[in-house]
Parts: sequence; structure tokens; C-alpha cells
Amino acid sequence: EPEVTQTPSHQVTQMGQEVILRCVPISNHLYFYWYRQILGQKVEFLVSFYNNEISEKSEIFDDQFSVERPDGSNFTLKIRSTKLEDSAMYFCASRDLFYNSPLHFGNGTRLTVT
Amino acid sequence: QKEVEQDPGPLSVPEGAIVSLNCTYSNSAFQYFMWYRQYSRKGPELLMYTYSSGNKEDGRFTAQVDKSSKYISLFIRDSQPSDSATYLCAMKAAGNKLTFGGGTRVLVKP
Repeated sequence: EPEVTQTPSHQVTQMGQEVILRCVPISNHLYFYWYRQILGQKVEFLVSFYNNEISEKSEIFDDQFSVERPDGSNFTLKIRSTKLEDSAMYFCASRDLFYNSPLHFGNGTRLTVT
Repeated sequence: QKEVEQDPGPLSVPEGAIVSLNCTYSNSAFQYFMWYRQYSRKGPELLMYTYSSGNKEDGRFTAQVDKSSKYISLFIRDSQPSDSATYLCAMKAAGNKLTFGGGTRVLVKP
């Protein structure tokens, strides 16, 4: 079964550094998402992306965050200047174009900011 | 009131028992309801997806939605130790944002 793949599985970075989290969505999917899960807390929506632009974002997704689809297969989340509170699991998800089809998630990148 | 509430558990059952999970929500605009299973340090895995009120069955899993009570349920029949995981409910109105419950940890003991 096709799946969403994310790299790296674990990223350790120092506060203030930039990180890029990478995702390869399912190949025929057209909607892409980033969610995060701080340890012990709920999975939270960050941003959705369709047709090469952000379609919706949460209040968490401030100017430190950006997303990009640099080519036909990758979808990235960049955090420009990481803070301790950015430490979390970051999940990429995708879905196909059918209206309100369900999201399929990757296994996440564990980001640790020291 | 939290938008989606889910008992964190843990819910411990013997192998073969029925696991009963539920979520309540406050936003009447939610129309699409999902259940995900999450193993430790893994991503959410879609189990069930339902639209509006009613029941849906898939193998050992049954999802129920009662929009009038703002209450959704997931039942797992003939539970197995491999069903031990955290179960997340998630829901959305029209649009892109999924709102998750906090998850219920389930332990199925052999």
C-alpha cells in the first residue's frame, strides 16, 4: 500500500538553527499537510497546501515556518530559527483530490531542539 | 469546553474482549469523523472514516456517529494484543483542518 514517507526520523538541532523536514506524499495525492504533536499532547494542525500555495494555516504557523513543494514529489517544512518549544513530532499527511477524502499520515520526524 | 474530548485511559481489556472507545465534541459544524490508531513513535494510521450520523463496519471495527448528541464511538471486536495502541478520534467541518482528540491508550492483555 502506498505510504507517506518522512525524513529524517529524528533531527536534533540547536536553538536558533534552521531545520528542514522532508516528506514524500503519496504519489497521486494533491493536498498536503503538516501537523505536530508535542510529547503528551494532541496532534495539532499546522498548515495545508494545495496547488502550490497555502490553503489554510493555524495560529501556530507563524513567520518562522514555511512550506514548499520544490519538485514533483517532495514537500518540505522549514523552521527558520528553532525554539525549544518547537520540539515535537512533526507529521506530514496527504490526501487525494476527492472532496473531503481522509488524510494519510507519515511516521513523523522527531525534532529535538536543545 | 474543549472542542474534542477523549478519555486518555489507559483502557485495559483481556484478549478477545470488545474495546469500546468514544469522543464527544462541541462544534456542530463537524461533519467528517475519523478514527486513527497510533503506535508508539509512529504516525496516525487511518482505521475508519465516516460522514455524518450512522454506523460503519469494517472487519472487527465498527464506528458510530450520533450528531444529535455530538458523540462518536469505535468498537473493536475480538481484540488482540496487537490492537494495543493509542486510538485517536479526529473530525472536521468543510475545509482542511482536522481536529484531534487527545487519544485513548488501549492495552489488550493476552
